[in-house]
This record gives sequence, C-alpha cells and structure tokens, in this order.
Amino acid sequence: DPKIIQKPKYLVAVTGSEKILICEQYLGHNAMYWYRQSAKKPLEFMFSYSYQKLMDNQTASSRFQPQSSKKNHLDLQITALKPDDSATYFCASSQQDSGNTLYFGEGSRLIVV
Amino acid sequence: GDSVTQTEGQVALSEEDFLTIHCNYSASGYPTLFWYVQYPGEGPQLLFRASRDKEKGSSRGFEATYDKGTTSFHLRKASVQESDSAVYYCALNTGANTGKLTFGHGTILRVHP
Repeated sequence: DPKIIQKPKYLVAVTGSEKILICEQYLGHNAMYWYRQSAKKPLEFMFSYSYQKLMDNQTASSRFQPQSSKKNHLDLQITALKPDDSATYFCASSQQDSGNTLYFGEGSRLIVV
Repeated sequence: GDSVTQTEGQVALSEEDFLTIHCNYSASGYPTLFWYVQYPGEGPQLLFRASRDKEKGSSRGFEATYDKGTTSFHLRKASVQESDSAVYYCALNTGANTGKLTFGHGTILRVHP
C-alpha cells in the first residue's frame, strides 16, 4: 500500500481555473514537501513544511499556495492556472531528525489547456 | 547556485553489461549526494546516499563513491538486468535538515534482454 497518497493522479484543467492537489502521508514524518517535474526540466523543489509550518518557499508565484490542515497533510492550491503550469507535482515527506531521507508519492499529473 | 550535471538522455544496454552514469556537481559547502531511481508511474525512490569524501553508497548492486576532488558521484553497476530499466537521478542537498534537493535532469536506462 502506498504510504504517501496523492490525489488526483491525473487532471486536466482549463486556463484561468483553480485546482487543489491533495497529499497525505502515513509514514509518521514531521516534514513534507512539494516538487514539480516539468517536461525537459529536472525535478524542482517548491516548498517545505516542518511541523505544519512553512520552512522554505522556492516558488516565485503566489498562485501556488500550500495548505496544511493536519500534520500529515500538505495540499497544494494552484490558482489562475496557465499552460506552463502543466507538470507532474510530487509530494514528499521525511523525518528531519532521522537522516531526512525523502520519500515521494506517485505524483499528480496536471495538464492545463 | 547548486547544480547537478549527469549523463544526458538515454543509455541503452544489454543484460549483463556494465553500467556507468556520470554525475558531477557544483555546490557551496559540503553537500550530501544521492542517487534516486524512478520507475514508470511511480515517484522517485532513494537508491542510496553519501555524505563524506570517499564514502561509498551502494544498494541492489549499484554503487557510487563520493569524490570531492573531482566533484563527482558516478553510478556504476557491474551487470545490469532488464528490471533495472528506469530513470536515474543524481541529486544533492547542502542543508542537512532542509529536504531541499537539487536534482539532475535524469538519465533513462533501457536494458534489453
């Protein structure tokens, strides 16, 4: 059973719309992250949360907003979607005081038309 | 900023061939180096890591040695199998507890029976 659940696996959105990508982890970790994988680009770090607090934000656009309602949840809200936002978004988690190895979910593939 | 450069594109081998995927890095400080593997439809998963000069990481027959002098962490396997076909990513982390990884572009390994 996957320990990091991302929903949906695939979605198609219209330019200008808003979507929320869901992430739940059942590894008991205290840190969670979002990464993006766009065509022809390497995996890029977006955000890190530790104990539900934002630690690092490398996303220039405020259209991307992480939301942590519970300590094992880190959702990603994306507003005013653009075709350039098309990518696979990976959620990851780690235990920061124990080696900090990242475990990734299976990803949510977003296509903006 | 930090960067990782690895063998570009695709590596095509036959079973039992020797594999080398090159990885060179540029980073401030003393990074931890990683190799991740990604199978179709899945998120990246850690193969192994190394934190000190001359340290060897290894897993499932793959290995790499941290070389600070040449800023390299080349992935090697003596005898590949068809099941090793996947995308391999070299990555680094300069902050011990940030979980912020800088990835290379990835190298596609295809092993033919």
